[in-house]
Amino acid sequence: DSGVTQTPKHLITATGQRVTLRCSPRSGDLSVYWYQQSLDQGLQFLIQYYNGEERAKGNILERFSAQQFPDLHSELNLSSLELGDSALYFCASSVGEESRPDQPQHFGDGTRLSIL
Amino acid sequence: AQKVTQAQTEISVVEKEDVTLDCVYETRDTTYYLFWYKQPPSGELVFLIRRNSFDEQNEISGRYSWNFQKSTSSFNFTITASQVVDSAVYFCALSEAEAGGTSYGKLTFGQGTILTVHP
Repeated sequence: DSGVTQTPKHLITATGQRVTLRCSPRSGDLSVYWYQQSLDQGLQFLIQYYNGEERAKGNILERFSAQQFPDLHSELNLSSLELGDSALYFCASSVGEESRPDQPQHFGDGTRLSIL
Repeated sequence: AQKVTQAQTEISVVEKEDVTLDCVYETRDTTYYLFWYKQPPSGELVFLIRRNSFDEQNEISGRYSWNFQKSTSSFNFTITASQVVDSAVYFCALSEAEAGGTSYGKLTFGQGTILTVHP
């Protein structure tokens, strides 16, 4: 058990819809990262938050947004969903007062999103 | 831009064989960190090891060992006496360390190597 909790585990929805994925980091971790894993793109970094503020952005679509709340949990919002958004979405968190790349990121079990 | 290449898409071995998973990386930073993660069939990503760019000492942990060679930009992973439970997808990842950069902290993953260990 990594200590990172993601809900829901599975999500099935239709094109054009909007969904919210939730992540609770490990106790004490201030940084949260979101990754997308798909068959064609592999594991891709989407966005990072540190203590409530956006820290880094990767290949995240404009239809996607995220935030980190004062209690440090994070949400990833995906809107106007397309078939190609079907993927496994991972949240990870890392330890330390400031995000440090040497600290391993511990991953949640992921949310599997299926668009019909 | 940083890049991680795992040239081996799939490897199949018989139990008790040794197997080495290759990882080659590209980065312009002088300080960086390398990681290996394991993704078993159940889907979660499990952290295995971290290595700093300034520490080329190789490491052994039980049946796992890692060979980091900065001169060839490689960070290979060997499983000795493989077991069926080692069957998984293994990912090599790179994190740059230049503070203030937009990529600070994010992981760049290779495409993964699917390892199947047959009984």
